[in-house]
Amino acid sequence: NAGVTQTPKFRILKIGQSMTLQCTQDMNHNYMYWYRQDPGMGLKLIYYSVGAGITDKGEVPNGYNVSRSTTEDFPLRLELAAPSQTSVYFCASSYSVAGGRSLSKLNTEAFFGQGTRLTVV
Amino acid sequence: GEDVEQSLFLSVREGDSSVINCTYTDSSSTYLYWYKQEPGAGLQLLTYIFSNMDMKQDQRLTVLLNKKDKHLSLRIADTQTGDSAIYFCAESIGSNDYKLSFGAGTTVTVRA
Repeated sequence: NAGVTQTPKFRILKIGQSMTLQCTQDMNHNYMYWYRQDPGMGLKLIYYSVGAGITDKGEVPNGYNVSRSTTEDFPLRLELAAPSQTSVYFCASSYSVAGGRSLSKLNTEAFFGQGTRLTVV
Repeated sequence: GEDVEQSLFLSVREGDSSVINCTYTDSSSTYLYWYKQEPGAGLQLLTYIFSNMDMKQDQRLTVLLNKKDKHLSLRIADTQTGDSAIYFCAESIGSNDYKLSFGAGTTVTVRA
């Protein structure tokens, strides 16, 4: 039972480099999200997707891009890494009409990956 | 706009009750949530309350909702060392039940 899987767990980037954070879920969830977590700031929504082929901006989309070619995968792309993008990144998914694996039986329950700690130097 | 606020730290003695408070802004939120984050892990849903409820009890957890004041609280009875974690309050944003706005998280430390 994998749930939401993110790779890599840790990464150090140099300023100006690019990388893709991978996220995949096996719960047939319609909705997927990318958040960043900064100390004392809570989680900020970067991008989200309500289904394959559909993506939309969240609160802090600048410097990032996403795609959703399949239900399972929602990669996050950083094109020109900047120190301000040093953060912990979480992918999440939610809302299976069938109720999915939610123990709470709450369709809006968000399932999170373990996070990617990214440092830009 | 959406803005969820909560205190950053709470220290509690083992066996005592913990109370974590949160204020939110979106009066049209359908659900309000408490998520728990243990060290090195992602967030997990701890409990939630539907916006037309005042209280929800689930074993050691009690959620109180004051819609008039837009105030949400989480009480953990008989706090254990395993309850040490960061607790996030979250509200669903307007009619979009699937979009959440999170607070900064309250770090709860349980001391012996």
